[in-house]
Amino acid sequence: GQSLEQPSEVTAVEGAIVQINCTYQTSGFYGLSWYQQHDGGAPTFLSYNALDGLEETGRFSSFLSRSDSYGYLLLQELQMKDSASYFCAARLDNAGNMLTFGGGTRLMVKP
Amino acid sequence: KAGVTQTPRYLIKTRGQQVTLSCSPISGHRSVSWYQQTPGQGLQFLFEYFSETQRNKGNFPGRFSGRQFSNSRSEMNVSTLELGDSALYLCASSGDSNSPLHFGNGTRLTVT
Repeated sequence: GQSLEQPSEVTAVEGAIVQINCTYQTSGFYGLSWYQQHDGGAPTFLSYNALDGLEETGRFSSFLSRSDSYGYLLLQELQMKDSASYFCAARLDNAGNMLTFGGGTRLMVKP
Repeated sequence: KAGVTQTPRYLIKTRGQQVTLSCSPISGHRSVSWYQQTPGQGLQFLFEYFSETQRNKGNFPGRFSGRQFSNSRSEMNVSTLELGDSALYLCASSGDSNSPLHFGNGTRLTVT
């Protein structure tokens, strides 16, 4: 089967850096995405890694290592508004948008 | 551009009934995917439509079905509702296979 594992909860303080890890076991892997979801809101796209390495988008960076079946999302200069759930998602097919999501990591940012 | 629009936002149905949910994608997007979100199972892929054809299907029973119209709008239908179908149903549109998914705010279905 397909599975993505990520920690269920992470707590950090404002201004700090936090890393959310994601390990996956899937067949037909084509890339790893990260989505943010605030309570009561829709998931919103943060980052996508199709190849090994680091992708940087402002305060957010994402990393992928295919050989280790591992990726992470790095959030820098944490702000209170970053308190949300973060999901990693594996793209399983090359010709569509079928994603398998991890269980989500609830990030709490404290003052 | 307007975002992905899902209607209705909330639904309450009784076991055994059927329900139809609607999704209007971002203008120009031809791919529409549906996901079920529950506290226990998380986000699970239901199916994806592209140019009126089902391109991928998740591991859900046949009671869950969908379709896409020529204007890319999509509907999903759940027949013979069960209590376990209570969930947030999310629709997402995308421009192509390598583009991010843009999610709507979802339809929260409660089955009593």
